[in-house]
Amino acid sequence: QVQLQESGPGLVKPSQTLSLTCTVSGGSISSGSYYWSWIRQPAGKGLEWIGRIYTSGSTNYNPSLKSRVTISVDTSKNQFSLKLSSVTAADTAVYYCAREADIVATISPWFDPWGQGTLVTVSS
Amino acid sequence: QSVLTQPPSASGTPGQRVTISCSGSSSNIGSNTVNWYQQLPGTAPKLLIYSNNQRPSGVPDRFSGSKSGTSASLAISGLQSEDEADYYCAAWDDSLNALFGGGTKLTVL
Repeated sequence: QVQLQESGPGLVKPSQTLSLTCTVSGGSISSGSYYWSWIRQPAGKGLEWIGRIYTSGSTNYNPSLKSRVTISVDTSKNQFSLKLSSVTAADTAVYYCAREADIVATISPWFDPWGQGTLVTVSS
Repeated sequence: QSVLTQPPSASGTPGQRVTISCSGSSSNIGSNTVNWYQQLPGTAPKLLIYSNNQRPSGVPDRFSGSKSGTSASLAISGLQSEDEADYYCAAWDDSLNALFGGGTKLTVL
């Protein structure tokens, strides 16, 4: 079964760019009709969807983050990545990657499975 | 504050039935299906209910979901101590943005 694993620096300085990668194992990122998403959760708070990418490269971003977010995919490495620029302390959170349900099956996909999450702290 | 509104907390005793509500609008819950996630302490969220009322394989039938108009509910019957967790509703809006509720912390007394 498909598993996802986030990786990247756990500490980023203010105003710099946060970069994370999600590695997909147990299946090809290109197989099926899936979007791949990033979601974050500040400590003690709720979930916030950041954005998603299809293997064709098509993306959708949360309007509140759109100006700072870039999500890309590398099918040769079975990975997709997140870049969030001009970070502040408010971007400190656990970042999750997740696969959405097959869009052939539904127009309102759910997130399953999820990666275990990685904590990114923004601090000087 | 989240576009989807959930009560911040809920509680019940073992064996009881508990419901968690999720309120939205015509542009999200009113026109799209609702999914629910369970987040046990210190772990990643896990899919609990999809497409309003469908359970993934492995989820006990004690968990059920429903939707009416612009609101949805998650019901847990026969409450167990291991159900103590945070629960999140989620839906897409008509602009293809994924929305989450603020989460409900369920305490088993």
